Order: sequence, then C-alpha cells, then structure tokens
Amino acid sequence: SQTIHQWPATLVQPVGSPLSLECTVEGTSNPNLYWYRQAAGRGLQLLFYSVGIGQISSEVPQNLSASRPQDRQFILSSKKLLLSDSGFYLCAWSGFSYNEQFFGPGTRLTVL
Amino acid sequence: SQQGEEDPQALSIQEGENATMNCSYKTSINNLQWYRQNSGRGLVHLILIRSNEREKHSGRLRVTLDTSKKSSSLLITASRAADTASYFCATDWSTGFQKLVFGTGTRLLVSP
Repeated sequence: SQTIHQWPATLVQPVGSPLSLECTVEGTSNPNLYWYRQAAGRGLQLLFYSVGIGQISSEVPQNLSASRPQDRQFILSSKKLLLSDSGFYLCAWSGFSYNEQFFGPGTRLTVL
Repeated sequence: SQQGEEDPQALSIQEGENATMNCSYKTSINNLQWYRQNSGRGLVHLILIRSNEREKHSGRLRVTLDTSKKSSSLLITASRAADTASYFCATDWSTGFQKLVFGTGTRLLVSP
C-alpha cells in the first residue's frame, strides 16, 4: 500500500533562517506531487506541484521554492523565512488518473 | 477566484443527528471532491463526484451535485462523535494537470 511521510512534524524557526521540509511517498511510482499551505482556520492554498523529477510548477509567487530530486521525494525550501511563512504545510500525491489526492500528516511551521 | 465556499462555517449537532454541509463554486468543473481533516492532521479523501453525476453514496455519506447551481452538498447520516472534524470541498476545474481548489471548510462538532 502507498504511504506518504512528512518531516519534521513541527518546526519553530527565527525570521531570516533557512527552511527545508521533506516529503516522501512509498508504494507508488511517478506520482504527481503537491505542496499546500493552510493558514489557521482556512482552506488549502496550492503552492507547488510536480509531474516528475526536476519538474516544478509554482502557483503563487512567494518566498518559497520546491525541488524534486527523486521520483518520490518532494522538498519545500526557503533561503530566508518571513513571519508570513508560518502555517501548516501539507504534501500530497495523486496517481496518473488524477482522482483523489492523498495527504501527508503535515508540518506545522512557526516563524518567530 | 474559483475557490469554493462551504456553508455553514461551523455546525454543532448531537450524536445520531444528520449533518448537512454545502459547497458552492464558480466555474465549470471536472469533478468535485470532499475531504475530511481532523484537528492538526492531514486531509483524508471521502468521496468524488464527477460532473455528469448527480448523487453518490459511500457508507453514511451522501453527496449531491447540481452543476446548474454550481453547488454540492455532503450529508452525514446518524453522526457519531468520531465524525467531529473539518470538512472541505475541492473542485477540479483544470483542463490539463489536475489542480484542486479547496474551499474554506465546515467545522463539524458532534456531541455525545
């Protein structure tokens, strides 16, 4: 069966520090991968998506970047965090048929 | 924006009662999906209804879709305390790579 992992689960970082969040998927090949951010009490905002290794599309101009160095690994990064980067970050994958998306457990990021 | 809007924002009921949540959206869709999120966790896919379908059932869940009104409803019958969560609708309206647009969610509280 397929599983999706995210780490760390929680993170507290000072403003101006770098960020690296990792997402890995097991049990499937060539998944479509997504990064979302959820502000407190709000819906999800799509940040990046990827159809394959090295192929990243950005949805919203921002202080973040994404990379996909391996088929089942998706990384969200920042060189210098802003206060507004705080939130709950969710990684998700979907299969070729583009039906449901499967979400990881999320990373709660607090920027102080 | 295409973002869906759920109504009500919050719903409080007793165990055994039915819970109905509504979702409205703005443009034509390929499909509409409902997800559930327990507090501080990732989202779990509940059900998908395609644009050519009007009603779908899964266990205690019943989803309807009215494309003429651009709206959907999620009915949870005989609710349980374990149904307490936030529920989000997500619309797939993309013509190429699937990109879901999530609504703002309905917070459901089921009291024993």
